[in-house]
Amino acid sequence: GDSVTQMEGPVTLSEEAFLTINCTYTATGYPSLFWYVQYPGEGLQLLLKATKADDKGSNKGFEATYRKETTSFHLEKGSVQVSDSAVYFCALTPRGGSYIPTFGRGTSLIVHP
Amino acid sequence: EADIYQTPRYLVIGTGKKITLECSQTMGHDKMYWYQQDPGMELHLIHYSYGVNSTEKGDLSSESTVSRIRTEHFPLTLESARPSHTSQYLCASSFGGQPQHFGDGTRLSIL
Repeated sequence: GDSVTQMEGPVTLSEEAFLTINCTYTATGYPSLFWYVQYPGEGLQLLLKATKADDKGSNKGFEATYRKETTSFHLEKGSVQVSDSAVYFCALTPRGGSYIPTFGRGTSLIVHP
Repeated sequence: EADIYQTPRYLVIGTGKKITLECSQTMGHDKMYWYQQDPGMELHLIHYSYGVNSTEKGDLSSESTVSRIRTEHFPLTLESARPSHTSQYLCASSFGGQPQHFGDGTRLSIL
């Protein structure tokens, strides 16, 4: 079945540091890929998405590129802020069929001033 | 602004009680989901629905039940709560293969 593997956390950075959270996936066909963010005490919210190979999703300074050849969708941000501290989830949705998403285990990001 | 609503946000209740967690969405989404989120943050799908009168069990076995009588409403029920049911429960909805919208969750503690 489908699976998503993302790097374990917590990831601890100083403000203005560069962020990378790795995500790789296994799926049949060409799934849609997503990053969600969960702030303390809240549900998940969509951060960015990409629906086909070489697409780049971007939002709030975060970026991720759909790499079909390496089955990856790594999340990056050039300069993190304290307010970016949250848990980040990589996910995929199969194209067609059930559309039931598969999530990674989540990566906690802690940004210090 | 929230388009999917969960109530209550927090619930502390004794063992053996019947509990219903409410979830409603105003977006007309066909699919709805219930997740259990453990302290390590991992999400476990426990129930989902493709539409009215459709309910399916997810990957994680759960003693809870769900119903989908109306498109916008997807309540989860525990007939007899136990301490092992203590967790955070997240409801979500989506249309087709589009991204999910999540509620803010219900944090449930069974004493």
